[in-house]
Amino acid sequence: EIVMTQSPATLSVSPGERATLSCRASQSVSSNLAWYQQKPGQAPRLLIYGASTRATGIPARFSGSGSGTEFTLTISSVQSEDFAVYYCQQFNNWPPYTFGQGTKLEIK
Amino acid sequence: QVQLVQSGPEVKKPGSSVKVSCEASGGTLGSYSINWVRQAPGQGLEWMGRIIPFVGIANYAQKFQGRVTITADRSTGTAFMEVSSLRSEDTAVYYCARAISDYYGLDVWGQGTTVTVSS
Repeated sequence: EIVMTQSPATLSVSPGERATLSCRASQSVSSNLAWYQQKPGQAPRLLIYGASTRATGIPARFSGSGSGTEFTLTISSVQSEDFAVYYCQQFNNWPPYTFGQGTKLEIK
Repeated sequence: QVQLVQSGPEVKKPGSSVKVSCEASGGTLGSYSINWVRQAPGQGLEWMGRIIPFVGIANYAQKFQGRVTITADRSTGTAFMEVSSLRSEDTAVYYCARAISDYYGLDVWGQGTTVTVSS
């Protein structure tokens, strides 16, 4: 089973600042990686698939990069509505399609 | 845009079973896969398994093999996930989510179904 490790567990930023979230796979997942945003009481929302392609309707301030075992989600200028928990998920080796443990983006 | 509508909250006794449904608006699941993901209170997301209704094949995370059964009724556009031998650790919100294909991630999610296991 592939283990996905996200860092940091919590990231504190001020609105307008840049946020960089990391996701590491225990073995290569190629570019078969997705990022999700989850707000309290809501279902997750797909942000990025294929490691770097924004899903439909996702603002351009969200970008994904990486391949193999190292991935990054960047929010270029954090808006108030971006404070949430972010998860990565690999789709390369299954079952299972493992998730990372999440990074909480909080207001500084 | 397709929507996935899940069944309502459940309260179950330890040792019993629960079956959660996930209906696609418009009545068709297409050729996509339906995945099931759960989230225990205050915890992260956990992938449980999936089914490709078009071919009727289900796959499970090893952790859930033998205790979880995922099925689909193509005639009604509904997928089901049943968990047997419930224990308190199964208390969670259960989500269904669609994948066009693995590469494209889980792009449409149900609203979630809260399952509480308590004596």
